[in-house]
Amino acid sequence: GQQLNQSPQSMFIQEGEDVSMNCTSSSIFNTWLWYKQDPGEGPVLLIALYKAGELTSNGRLTAQFGITRKDSFLNISASIPSDVGIYFCAGLSRTYKYIFGTGTRLKVLA
Amino acid sequence: SAVISQKPSRDICQRGTSLTIQCQVDSQVTMMFWYRQQPGQSLTLIATANQGSEATYESGFVIDKFPISRPNLTFSTLTVSNMSPEDSSIYLCSVDRGMNTEAFFGQGTRLTVV
Repeated sequence: GQQLNQSPQSMFIQEGEDVSMNCTSSSIFNTWLWYKQDPGEGPVLLIALYKAGELTSNGRLTAQFGITRKDSFLNISASIPSDVGIYFCAGLSRTYKYIFGTGTRLKVLA
Repeated sequence: SAVISQKPSRDICQRGTSLTIQCQVDSQVTMMFWYRQQPGQSLTLIATANQGSEATYESGFVIDKFPISRPNLTFSTLTVSNMSPEDSSIYLCSVDRGMNTEAFFGQGTRLTVV
């Protein structure tokens, strides 16, 4: 099925560093969501974006809905060890189905 | 948000058998979805579980292999039929309270077929 492209695929960073990841699509979405998945768990919603250009924060996390509605970005500031996990973006299609990104695997080195 | 409980959380099954996964939500929801997440991969939508009617399946998934029930607005089941090792995956239930809102997930069912 259709998937969104996320980059980077994986990243190793030092504790305290800032992290940036993005998600791109060939299709327009009206809603963008960012999730984090820990091992053995289901994805947990971090941030939801509803409007082109919107910038939303949740603690150390900030996400933006791209102006073209074909991309979104997630930034994590001052990373800590518990930020480790897989981050997925998701776009809500016109047929009200959630299309998920390929995922960014984050590892934080203490 | 919604509290979503999935059972079982994990299982090891023999090939050729079937497993039914249950999804219970703490409140009535409009949309319920079933996803498959193969090892190291992203989430792929299997079907939308419709209350009172047959589920809507995505390309590559068929009702004979993945029968779904949705008897009411808080409960759904997914059966993985005639399992083979290729069915080893995490199966996730997801809900959405209405159109154009956030999707929430259960903790998933980790299935291993031997």
